[in-house]
Amino acid sequence: KQEVTQIPAALSVPEGENLVLNCSFTDSAIYNLQWFRQDPGKGLTSLLLIQSSQREQTSGRLNASLDKSSGRSTLYIAASQPGDSATYLCAASGGSYIPTFGRGTSLIVHP
Amino acid sequence: DAGVIQSPRHEVTEMGQEVTLRCKPISGHDYLFWYRQTMMRGLELLIYFNNNVPIDDSGMPEDRFSAKMPNASFSTLKIQPSEPRDSAVYFCASCPGTVNQPQHFGDGTRLSIL
Repeated sequence: KQEVTQIPAALSVPEGENLVLNCSFTDSAIYNLQWFRQDPGKGLTSLLLIQSSQREQTSGRLNASLDKSSGRSTLYIAASQPGDSATYLCAASGGSYIPTFGRGTSLIVHP
Repeated sequence: DAGVIQSPRHEVTEMGQEVTLRCKPISGHDYLFWYRQTMMRGLELLIYFNNNVPIDDSGMPEDRFSAKMPNASFSTLKIQPSEPRDSAVYFCASCPGTVNQPQHFGDGTRLSIL
């Protein structure tokens, strides 16, 4: 059974810092790895999806990398802003194509 | 595109009552998922449908939970009878396919069972 772990569980940083959020998964036989953002009282919003054949995906200030062999993914946020404050979840999709979610990293970026 | 629409947004009811949560997926999306999110257990998949047919309901916690999808534009998750431990945020999500297709989530129903 796939297990997904995210470290750290919470993070508080000043505006402008570059951040790295970590995600690890136990079963490396995945089809893709997704990163989501969740704002308070809202559902999840897909940020990036990395297919198993890819090493990374980029969208604006966000860059996600995938290392299947080591069972790890990182989400890099450049020049963080207060508007980036949210919970970030990663999800690994295996043989059934259905994602298994981590518990998330709660991020606060203060001015 | 209106996105995934869930109703109600909040539900407060007494233990033992029947609760029905509703979801309208994005038009054209063949897959629909029901999740439950709690502080203790995180985001858990309860059940998912493909073309209105339930594919995997192994995440449904007990027989008190049931889900239906009578047509491509509507699904319900029902709890009968409800218990305080069912209190959680319930999310519905949809996607056009499962292979390398991101899921689109509704804003959830916050359920409180007193």
